Amino acid sequence: GEDVEQSLFLSVREGDSSVINCTYTDSSSTYLYWYKQEPGAGLQLLTYIFSNMDMKQDQRLTVLLNKKDKHLSLRIADTQTGDSAIYFCAESSDSGGGADGLTFGKGTHLIIQP
Amino acid sequence: EAGVTQSPTHLIKTRGQQATLRCSPISGHTSVYWYQQALGLGLQFLLWYDEGEERNRGNFPPRFSGRQFPNYSSELNVNALELEDSALYLCARAKREEDTQYFGPGTRLTVL
Repeated sequence: GEDVEQSLFLSVREGDSSVINCTYTDSSSTYLYWYKQEPGAGLQLLTYIFSNMDMKQDQRLTVLLNKKDKHLSLRIADTQTGDSAIYFCAESSDSGGGADGLTFGKGTHLIIQP
Repeated sequence: EAGVTQSPTHLIKTRGQQATLRCSPISGHTSVYWYQQALGLGLQFLLWYDEGEERNRGNFPPRFSGRQFPNYSSELNVNALELEDSALYLCARAKREEDTQYFGPGTRLTVL
């Protein structure tokens, strides 16, 4: 079945850039998402990209997509303590989730060092 | 996110009991997705409702069920609770013509 893989932890210093990576296996993935989850909270949509794009920038966030390698990354510039959270990569072959919903990675814990 | 609410925030039950979780509507969002976020298992798709009908379900037993009401709010019912049902249950609202899902804060279900 479809799979989405992420590394479990990333530690960065405050002010540096964070790069969170994700790989997926489903070649029909059309929509790729990044969600943020703070402790005890639900999921906050950060950004998403269509598979026909290779880059999307939104303020401090930059998403890069390498469709050939099925690799997605999220770069957070000037990382702040408020960015400390779990970041989930997710994919869908259909707009809004389709029949099978979103397929999520297990999440990357972003740890900010002072 | 985007006004999605879920109730209750926390729910404690014992094995064999039944749990009912609720998810509120957003105007115009006819689709509801339910996900289970269990420790160590990540987020897994449970159920999809659209226009009042169950459209698809994930790899979960039939004791996980639900419904969607005419105002598009939704309930998730879990019967014959087992210890491994302890998890955060998230609902997400979506529109067919939009590309994203908006999640509620979740209900933390603990089965003792």
